Amino acid sequence: DAMVIQNPRYQVTQFGKPVTLSCSQTLNHNVMYWYQQKSSQAPKLLFHYYDKDFNNEADTPDNFQSRRPNTSFCFLDIRSPGLGDAAMYLCATSTRQGNQPQHFGDGTRLSIL
Amino acid sequence: GESVGLHLPTLSVQEGDNSIINCAYSNSASDYFIWYKQESGKGPQFIIDIRSNMDKRQGQRVTVLLNKTVKHLSLQIAATQPGDSAVYFCAENPFNQAGTALIFGKGTTLSVSS
Repeated sequence: DAMVIQNPRYQVTQFGKPVTLSCSQTLNHNVMYWYQQKSSQAPKLLFHYYDKDFNNEADTPDNFQSRRPNTSFCFLDIRSPGLGDAAMYLCATSTRQGNQPQHFGDGTRLSIL
Repeated sequence: GESVGLHLPTLSVQEGDNSIINCAYSNSASDYFIWYKQESGKGPQFIIDIRSNMDKRQGQRVTVLLNKTVKHLSLQIAATQPGDSAVYFCAENPFNQAGTALIFGKGTTLSVSS
C-alpha cells in the first residue's frame, strides 16, 4: 500500500546531541510536512516543503531544520535538542490540491536524556 | 486568534451505541474540514472530510455534518466498537490550499466499553 513511513519509531538522544529523523513516502505527493505533537496536544506544524520550496512556520525555533533530497524523502534535523523538544514528530504529505487531506505517518517519538 | 475547537475532551460510550463528537470552528472563510482518528502511539488517520458546499457526508459507519450558520462540525459513529477507541481531531484548512498548516482542534478521547 502507498504510505508515509517514518524511521525510527522511537529515538533517544542526549541533551544537545544532534539528531535526524527521516520520512519517506510512496504516494508521490508534492508537499511534505513536519509536525510536532506533545502529549495530549494537537499536532503543530513546524515547516513544509512544497516540491523543493522550503516554508518555515514563523514560530519554529532555529534549532529545527529540514532537508528534502528528492520527492520521496524528507528529513528533520534537530541541531541541539533540549528537554522541551521531547515529543512525537509526525511527517505528513499531500497533493498540490487544496481540498485534499494530509496523510500522516505513525511518527517518531523522541526522548531526550 | 482563529481556531478549531472541540466541545468535550472525553466521551465514554457502550459498544453498539452511536457516538457523536462535536467541533466548533471560528474561521467562517474556511471551506474544507477533516476528521482524523489517532490511536495511541500512531499518527492521525484520515477518516472523512467535507467541503463547505455540503451539509453532510457519509462514509462507512461515519457521518460528518457541517452547519455553517453556527460554524459547527460533528462526527457521528454508528454502532461504536472497541476498536473505535482513540483520540479524534477535527481539522480545518483555513486557506483551502496545499502547503498550509491544518488547524487542529484539541481532540476528544473516545472510550468504548464492551
